[in-house]
Amino acid sequence: KQEVTQIPAALSVPEGENLVLNCSFTDSAIYNLQWFRQDPGKGLTSLLLIQSSQREQTSGRLNASLDKSSGRSTLYIAASQPGDSATYLCAVEAYDYKLSFGAGTTVTVRA
Amino acid sequence: NAGVTQTPKFRVLKTGQSMTLLCAQDMNHEYMYWYRQDPGMGLRLIHYSVGEGTTAKGEVPDGYNVSRLKKQNFLLGLESAAPSQTSVYFCASSYDGDYGYTFGSGTRLTVV
Repeated sequence: KQEVTQIPAALSVPEGENLVLNCSFTDSAIYNLQWFRQDPGKGLTSLLLIQSSQREQTSGRLNASLDKSSGRSTLYIAASQPGDSATYLCAVEAYDYKLSFGAGTTVTVRA
Repeated sequence: NAGVTQTPKFRVLKTGQSMTLLCAQDMNHEYMYWYRQDPGMGLRLIHYSVGEGTTAKGEVPDGYNVSRLKKQNFLLGLESAAPSQTSVYFCASSYDGDYGYTFGSGTRLTVV
Protein backbone atom coordinates (compact mmCIF):
# COMPACT_ATOMS: atom_id res chain seq x y z
CA LYS A 1 0.00 0.00 0.00
CA GLN A 2 1.33 3.41 -0.96
CA GLU A 3 2.14 5.68 1.99
CA VAL A 4 2.62 9.39 1.36
CA THR A 5 4.21 11.58 4.02
CA GLN A 6 4.51 15.36 4.07
CA ILE A 7 6.95 17.17 6.31
CA PRO A 8 6.57 19.56 8.01
CA ALA A 9 2.89 19.47 8.96
CA ALA A 10 2.90 23.24 9.40
CA LEU A 11 5.18 26.07 8.42
CA SER A 12 5.19 29.80 9.21
CA VAL A 13 7.48 32.19 7.35
CA PRO A 14 7.81 35.96 6.85
CA GLU A 15 6.77 37.40 3.53
CA GLY A 16 9.47 37.18 0.88
CA GLU A 17 11.08 34.03 2.19
CA ASN A 18 11.31 30.97 -0.07
CA LEU A 19 9.19 27.97 0.88
CA VAL A 20 10.34 24.35 0.70
CA LEU A 21 7.71 21.64 1.13
CA ASN A 22 8.66 17.98 1.21
CA CYS A 23 6.78 14.87 0.15
CA SER A 24 7.93 11.26 0.36
CA PHE A 25 6.28 8.07 -0.87
CA THR A 26 7.01 4.41 -0.25
CA ASP A 27 6.29 2.78 -3.63
CA SER A 28 8.29 4.16 -6.55
CA ALA A 29 5.98 2.56 -9.16
CA ILE A 30 4.01 5.72 -9.76
CA TYR A 31 2.36 7.11 -12.88
CA ASN A 32 2.61 10.73 -11.83
CA LEU A 33 2.81 13.04 -8.81
CA GLN A 34 0.65 16.08 -8.26
CA TRP A 35 0.73 19.05 -5.93
CA PHE A 36 -2.53 20.68 -4.89
CA ARG A 37 -3.46 23.76 -2.94
CA GLN A 38 -6.41 23.82 -0.57
CA ASP A 39 -7.78 26.98 1.03
CA PRO A 40 -9.82 26.66 4.26
CA GLY A 41 -13.28 25.27 3.57
CA LYS A 42 -12.57 24.96 -0.14
CA GLY A 43 -11.81 22.28 -2.68
CA LEU A 44 -8.45 21.33 -4.15
CA THR A 45 -6.74 23.32 -6.87
CA SER A 46 -4.15 21.59 -9.01
CA LEU A 47 -0.78 23.35 -9.00
CA LEU A 48 1.68 21.10 -10.78
CA LEU A 49 1.69 17.62 -12.28
CA ILE A 50 4.95 15.74 -12.81
CA GLN A 51 4.92 12.62 -14.97
CA SER A 52 7.02 9.71 -13.71
CA SER A 53 9.51 10.25 -16.56
CA GLN A 54 10.04 13.91 -15.66
CA ARG A 55 12.37 15.41 -13.08
CA GLU A 56 10.63 18.74 -12.49
CA GLN A 57 7.85 21.11 -13.46
CA THR A 58 7.67 24.87 -13.16
CA SER A 59 4.81 27.34 -13.11
CA GLY A 60 5.55 30.94 -12.25
CA ARG A 61 7.00 31.06 -8.74
CA LEU A 62 6.37 27.35 -8.22
CA ASN A 63 8.82 24.59 -8.98
CA ALA A 64 8.36 20.93 -8.15
CA SER A 65 11.02 18.24 -8.41
CA LEU A 66 10.62 14.49 -8.49
CA ASP A 67 13.15 11.82 -7.58
CA LYS A 68 11.22 8.64 -8.18
CA SER A 69 14.02 6.29 -7.21
CA SER A 70 14.29 7.78 -3.74
CA GLY A 71 10.54 8.35 -3.40
CA ARG A 72 10.75 12.10 -2.92
CA SER A 73 9.27 15.30 -4.29
CA THR A 74 9.87 18.88 -3.25
CA LEU A 75 7.71 21.91 -3.92
CA TYR A 76 9.53 25.24 -3.95
CA ILE A 77 7.64 28.51 -3.77
CA ALA A 78 9.83 31.53 -4.42
CA ALA A 79 9.39 34.91 -2.72
CA SER A 80 6.38 33.90 -0.65
CA GLN A 81 3.37 36.21 -0.31
CA PRO A 82 0.52 36.28 2.24
CA GLY A 83 -1.75 34.96 -0.54
CA ASP A 84 0.30 31.76 -0.57
CA SER A 85 -1.10 30.87 2.86
CA ALA A 86 -2.95 27.58 2.40
CA THR A 87 -2.58 23.85 2.84
CA TYR A 88 -0.47 22.13 0.20
CA LEU A 89 -1.19 18.51 -0.61
CA CYS A 90 1.01 16.02 -2.40
CA ALA A 91 -0.59 13.07 -4.18
CA VAL A 92 0.85 10.17 -6.17
CA GLU A 93 -1.08 8.34 -8.85
CA ALA A 94 -0.48 4.65 -9.34
CA TYR A 95 -0.99 2.73 -12.58
CA ASP A 96 -4.42 1.63 -11.30
CA TYR A 97 -5.67 5.25 -11.63
CA LYS A 98 -5.88 5.83 -7.87
CA LEU A 99 -4.43 8.80 -6.04
CA SER A 100 -2.82 8.48 -2.62
CA PHE A 101 -2.58 11.71 -0.63
CA GLY A 102 -0.33 13.01 2.06
CA ALA A 103 -1.90 14.77 5.05
CA GLY A 104 -0.64 18.14 3.82
CA THR A 105 1.55 21.03 4.93
CA THR A 106 -0.26 24.09 6.24
CA VAL A 107 1.63 27.24 5.28
CA THR A 108 1.25 30.66 6.88
CA VAL A 109 3.04 33.61 5.30
CA ARG A 110 3.29 36.56 7.70
CA ALA A 111 3.06 40.06 6.25
CA ASN B 1 -17.99 26.90 -16.60
CA ALA B 2 -16.48 23.48 -17.16
CA GLY B 3 -15.69 21.55 -14.03
CA VAL B 4 -16.94 19.24 -11.31
CA THR B 5 -20.14 20.14 -9.50
CA GLN B 6 -21.16 18.57 -6.20
CA THR B 7 -24.59 18.77 -4.60
CA PRO B 8 -25.49 19.42 -1.88
CA LYS B 9 -22.76 21.59 -0.34
CA PHE B 10 -23.88 21.03 3.25
CA ARG B 11 -26.09 18.45 4.92
CA VAL B 12 -26.96 17.34 8.43
CA LEU B 13 -28.30 13.82 8.86
CA LYS B 14 -29.58 11.88 11.81
CA THR B 15 -28.04 8.51 12.55
CA GLY B 16 -29.71 5.85 10.42
CA GLN B 17 -30.94 8.20 7.70
CA SER B 18 -29.95 7.74 4.08
CA MET B 19 -28.85 10.20 1.45
CA THR B 20 -27.22 10.49 -1.96
CA LEU B 21 -24.46 12.86 -2.95
CA LEU B 22 -24.34 13.84 -6.60
CA CYS B 23 -21.24 14.59 -8.61
CA ALA B 24 -21.50 15.90 -12.17
CA GLN B 25 -18.70 16.70 -14.62
CA ASP B 26 -18.94 18.23 -18.08
CA MET B 27 -15.40 17.53 -19.29
CA ASN B 28 -16.09 14.11 -20.81
CA HIS B 29 -13.76 12.52 -18.28
CA GLU B 30 -13.66 8.74 -18.08
CA TYR B 31 -12.51 8.42 -14.49
CA MET B 32 -14.41 9.64 -11.44
CA TYR B 33 -13.65 9.34 -7.74
CA TRP B 34 -15.14 9.92 -4.31
CA TYR B 35 -12.85 10.90 -1.45
CA ARG B 36 -13.44 11.80 2.16
CA GLN B 37 -11.27 14.24 4.06
CA ASP B 38 -10.88 14.08 7.81
CA PRO B 39 -8.65 16.28 10.00
CA GLY B 40 -5.06 15.04 10.12
CA MET B 41 -5.75 12.08 7.81
CA GLY B 42 -5.60 13.56 4.35
CA LEU B 43 -7.96 12.42 1.62
CA ARG B 44 -8.94 8.77 1.46
CA LEU B 45 -10.48 7.09 -1.57
CA ILE B 46 -13.97 5.65 -1.00
CA HIS B 47 -14.98 4.36 -4.45
CA TYR B 48 -14.02 5.11 -8.01
CA SER B 49 -15.13 4.46 -11.59
CA VAL B 50 -13.05 3.97 -14.72
CA GLY B 51 -15.97 4.44 -17.09
CA GLU B 52 -19.73 4.48 -17.49
CA GLY B 53 -21.34 1.49 -15.81
CA THR B 54 -18.22 0.57 -13.79
CA THR B 55 -17.44 1.02 -10.10
CA ALA B 56 -14.69 -0.23 -7.80
CA LYS B 57 -13.84 -0.07 -4.12
CA GLY B 58 -11.20 2.24 -2.77
CA GLU B 59 -9.50 2.38 0.59
CA VAL B 60 -12.54 3.00 2.83
CA PRO B 61 -15.67 1.67 1.03
CA ASP B 62 -17.64 0.27 3.96
CA GLY B 63 -21.00 1.97 4.53
CA TYR B 64 -21.08 3.55 1.06
CA ASN B 65 -22.42 2.56 -2.34
CA VAL B 66 -21.92 4.21 -5.71
CA SER B 67 -23.40 4.20 -9.19
CA ARG B 68 -22.22 5.50 -12.57
CA LEU B 69 -25.22 5.09 -14.86
CA LYS B 70 -24.20 8.05 -17.02
CA LYS B 71 -20.67 9.04 -17.91
CA GLN B 72 -21.05 12.54 -16.52
CA ASN B 73 -22.54 11.56 -13.14
CA PHE B 74 -21.16 9.65 -10.17
CA LEU B 75 -23.47 9.13 -7.18
CA LEU B 76 -22.38 8.31 -3.64
CA GLY B 77 -24.99 6.79 -1.35
CA LEU B 78 -25.13 6.34 2.40
CA GLU B 79 -27.78 3.75 3.24
CA SER B 80 -27.70 4.14 7.03
CA ALA B 81 -25.63 7.11 8.16
CA ALA B 82 -23.35 6.81 11.19
CA PRO B 83 -21.53 9.54 13.15
CA SER B 84 -18.23 8.10 11.84
CA GLN B 85 -19.29 9.25 8.38
CA THR B 86 -19.17 12.90 9.44
CA SER B 87 -16.62 14.30 7.01
CA VAL B 88 -16.04 16.45 3.98
CA TYR B 89 -16.63 14.54 0.75
CA PHE B 90 -14.87 15.43 -2.46
CA CYS B 91 -15.59 14.21 -5.95
CA ALA B 92 -12.90 14.29 -8.62
CA SER B 93 -12.59 13.37 -12.26
CA SER B 94 -9.78 12.84 -14.72
CA TYR B 95 -9.36 12.17 -18.44
CA ASP B 96 -6.25 10.12 -17.92
CA GLY B 97 -3.05 10.35 -15.93
CA ASP B 98 -1.47 12.81 -18.34
CA TYR B 99 -3.78 15.66 -17.46
CA GLY B 100 -4.31 15.40 -13.73
CA TYR B 101 -7.43 15.61 -11.65
CA THR B 102 -10.21 18.18 -11.27
CA PHE B 103 -11.90 18.37 -7.89
CA GLY B 104 -15.32 19.58 -6.84
CA SER B 105 -15.76 22.09 -4.02
CA GLY B 106 -16.87 19.46 -1.51
CA THR B 107 -19.89 18.42 0.54
CA ARG B 108 -19.71 18.93 4.28
CA LEU B 109 -21.75 16.18 5.94
CA THR B 110 -22.54 16.00 9.64
CA VAL B 111 -24.23 12.93 11.12
CA VAL B 112 -25.74 13.48 14.57
